[in-house]
Amino acid sequence: DTGVSQDPRHKITKRGQNVTFRCDPISEHNRLYWYRQTLGQGPEFLTYFQNEAQLEKSRLLSDRFSAERPKGSFSTLEIQRTEQGDSAMYLCASGNVNTGELFFGEGSRLTVL
Amino acid sequence: DAKTTQPTSMDCAEGRAANLPCNHSTISGNEYVYWYRQIHSQGPQYIIHGLKNNETNGMASLIITEDRKSSTLILPHATLRDTAVYYCIVRAVGGANSKLTFGKGITLSVRP
Repeated sequence: DTGVSQDPRHKITKRGQNVTFRCDPISEHNRLYWYRQTLGQGPEFLTYFQNEAQLEKSRLLSDRFSAERPKGSFSTLEIQRTEQGDSAMYLCASGNVNTGELFFGEGSRLTVL
Repeated sequence: DAKTTQPTSMDCAEGRAANLPCNHSTISGNEYVYWYRQIHSQGPQYIIHGLKNNETNGMASLIITEDRKSSTLILPHATLRDTAVYYCIVRAVGGANSKLTFGKGITLSVRP
């Protein structure tokens, strides 16, 4: 399968714990995006990378959130000291700078107890 | 990104055409109209996009009005598997600001 893959698909954690999600984009794509989606809402933009450079971060991305894309390949999204409000689906997408299509993964669902 | 407005929901009968409207009255000249859909518990899926000409692919047709202030996504023969949330998004391609900004979309229910 050459699509966008995300891991883990589901994560249940206790409040205050740290969690990390991984995204493997489509290999030839230079842009990688992170979104968050809560029930009944459309996906909300968090951040995106062009190669290894993080070009934009949403105000939603508090200082407890950090994203990296070392070497411009896979990306990780870490949430420190999780709160119940962090419970959501975290979606990753990849694409090329000059084309419009973004390809999304199946998401990583986080539940904070 | 310019904002879009869509009805909250609509339904259609299986086998009939589903016409999903979208208003984007503040669209800029360099912004494209994109449609994505999201089937329950899956990531969004790209459907089609266009600038000013009508577009068609294996999934759908996109009709954009001449003034580009509105568009319609047409699923010619809706099936039960087309039941999903459909998002209309306007976006400039390339450049520094290329993220997709999703609204709440329109929930399409295809009935047997």
